[in-house]
Amino acid sequence: AQSVTQLDSQVPVFEEAPVELRCNYSSSVSVYLFWYVQYPNQGLQLLLKYLSGSTLVKGINGFEAEFNKSQTSFHLRKPSVHISDTAEYFCAGKYAGNNRKLIWGLGTSLAVNP
Amino acid sequence: DADVTQTPRNRITKTGKRIMLECSQTKGHDRMYWYRQDPGLGLRLIYYSFDVKDINKGEISDGYSVSRQAQAKFSLSLESAIPNQTALYFCATSVPAGGAADTQYFGPGTRLTVL
Repeated sequence: AQSVTQLDSQVPVFEEAPVELRCNYSSSVSVYLFWYVQYPNQGLQLLLKYLSGSTLVKGINGFEAEFNKSQTSFHLRKPSVHISDTAEYFCAGKYAGNNRKLIWGLGTSLAVNP
Repeated sequence: DADVTQTPRNRITKTGKRIMLECSQTKGHDRMYWYRQDPGLGLRLIYYSFDVKDINKGEISDGYSVSRQAQAKFSLSLESAIPNQTALYFCATSVPAGGAADTQYFGPGTRLTVL
């Protein structure tokens, strides 16, 4: 079955430290991948997406992600986090042949501490 | 003004009551979605609509119904609310992009509590 798995439910990190939020996808068929962010008491907004082409995707707020076909991963990274990055992060995928809806990961809660 | 609005933002109701959550959008998108969010369970799709005449069940549609009154409006109803429908509900919209990959735009959410 097609799925998206976020490997960490919670990631605590200190301010100005680097962070990586891990996401794996399940299928070898063509897939489009997304990272969304949900700040406290808000809806979700798109951070970045991979459709095709360059495997390194840059998004808003200094985040980037790398599509790795051999590892079936799409990990999100930021070299130096801020307190304001504290939020819930969701990875999602849309698979070829099932393009009517997104498949969502369960989310990773990033807590940036001073 | 927000592109995707949801009303009400918060609602407390009692078991057995009928509840309607409303979503409006000014983005001009054809596709609209209703999700619920529960702690530890992520987002789960309730219903989705690709145009006014195309409405589809998601993974957890039991106990819910929807109405697509116009391109801009998509309502979610709980015919007889029960406590395990207590959750945060999100409406989202999208427009098809190249390669069938479309970004979803979310409303601010409705927090529903069923006592």
